[in-house]
Amino acid sequence: EVQLVESGGGLIQPGGSLRLSCAASGFTVSNNYMSWVRQAPGKGLEWVSVIYSGGSTYYADSVKGRFTISRDNSKNTLYLQMNSLRAEDTAMYYCARWHDYGGSPWRNYGMDVWGQGTTVTVSS
Amino acid sequence: DIQMTQSPSSLSASVGDRVTITCRASQSISSSLNWYQQKPGKAPKLLIYAASSLQSGVPSRFSGSGSGTDFTLTINNLQPEDFAAYYCQQHYSTPQITFGQGTRLEIK
Repeated sequence: EVQLVESGGGLIQPGGSLRLSCAASGFTVSNNYMSWVRQAPGKGLEWVSVIYSGGSTYYADSVKGRFTISRDNSKNTLYLQMNSLRAEDTAMYYCARWHDYGGSPWRNYGMDVWGQGTTVTVSS
Repeated sequence: DIQMTQSPSSLSASVGDRVTITCRASQSISSSLNWYQQKPGKAPKLLIYAASSLQSGVPSRFSGSGSGTDFTLTINNLQPEDFAAYYCQQHYSTPQITFGQGTRLEIK
């Protein structure tokens, strides 16, 4: 079964650090684009970061320089290292797989597999 | 950045109704538009990709249309399990993808 399971969330003080994990089963993380998407309480979805199959990484401006996305191929796991956390980072964090549906001249992508989410609360 | 604006922000409908949700992009995004459904306490679920292609396993009462800047998600014959939040998402500016603010579909 294709599945993503996040862990690592919790209550952290402003300025602190946290590392989220996303363990995959049923497919290979390194063969796919993988993203983190977050949702603040009562709010909409916000893209946070993506790591390409080739290893390139990209971030939303709101987290650039503070968050780092990575993966461990041997563990088939995706990570999000979050430093210098702020109250506005409080959210449910989801990991998701990008599926490539092909297409020309632009590729068509959709996030077709999602984890259940892990909650991050930044508060003193 | 490409901004995505959904309308309405919320709507009420009855079982059996047909509803339409609109998503407008701040610039042309071709057909690089996806739709997601999210139920309370759950992760989003991909419904439509490439503006009008139905994701595997999604009921045929869901359909998408549009290209350029204007897109619609239509749900025919609303079922009780369809009451949820719906989000559009553009990937034209990949990797910098953006979501619409969401539309909450409630039971009338």
